[in-house]
Amino acid sequence: AQKVTQAQTEISVVEKEDVTLDCVYETRDTTYYLFWYKQPPSGELVFLIRRNSFDEQNEISGRYSWNFQKSTSSFNFTITASQVVDSAVYFCALSRWTDKLIFGTGTRLQVFP
Amino acid sequence: GAVVSQHPSRVICKSGTSVKIECRSLDFQATTMFWYRQFPKQSLMLMATSNEGSKATYEQGVEKDKFLINHASLTLSTLTVTSAHPEDSSFYICSATDTYEQYFGPGTRLTVT
Repeated sequence: AQKVTQAQTEISVVEKEDVTLDCVYETRDTTYYLFWYKQPPSGELVFLIRRNSFDEQNEISGRYSWNFQKSTSSFNFTITASQVVDSAVYFCALSRWTDKLIFGTGTRLQVFP
Repeated sequence: GAVVSQHPSRVICKSGTSVKIECRSLDFQATTMFWYRQFPKQSLMLMATSNEGSKATYEQGVEKDKFLINHASLTLSTLTVTSAHPEDSSFYICSATDTYEQYFGPGTRLTVT
């Protein structure tokens, strides 16, 4: 069975602080894909990243970075120098190629000025 | 990037009526479309998977007679909530795949009074 766990329900930080959102997954597949999505109050899902199970290289995109560790089945997301606009719910998800996504319960991030 | 639209974006209906939600892939042919439901402050849960020209596959616990899914063409899937009740009030999001990627629509917020 596939499962995604986001243990942090809610995180509050002050602007310019760094924040890490945790994601732990379970799967028996050898080939799988991990995702992060941002959901602002409007509700629309904003795609942030997709990573396949064979690519453990960390990725950085501006203030965002992702740390994928198969040994601990984790795919953590760090926002550096957080901004108020980063306030949203962030979902980690797991799938097989373009199959259905299994979402975690989400982490609500609030960034205060 | 590929675009998926949903219509309507927001709908309010009376208890007992039926509501139809459309999901369209605007610039690509979608081999598969997925329907997700999100209750307030909760995660996205897959309701069903639909492939063009065939019957939808529903997840366990989802009533197929209540949530009718039609995938009549490679660019259009519809979800009809029949005899809606207040407990069906939710945010419904579709996604469409073109074999390589999965793209999410902006969602439809349904309120049943």
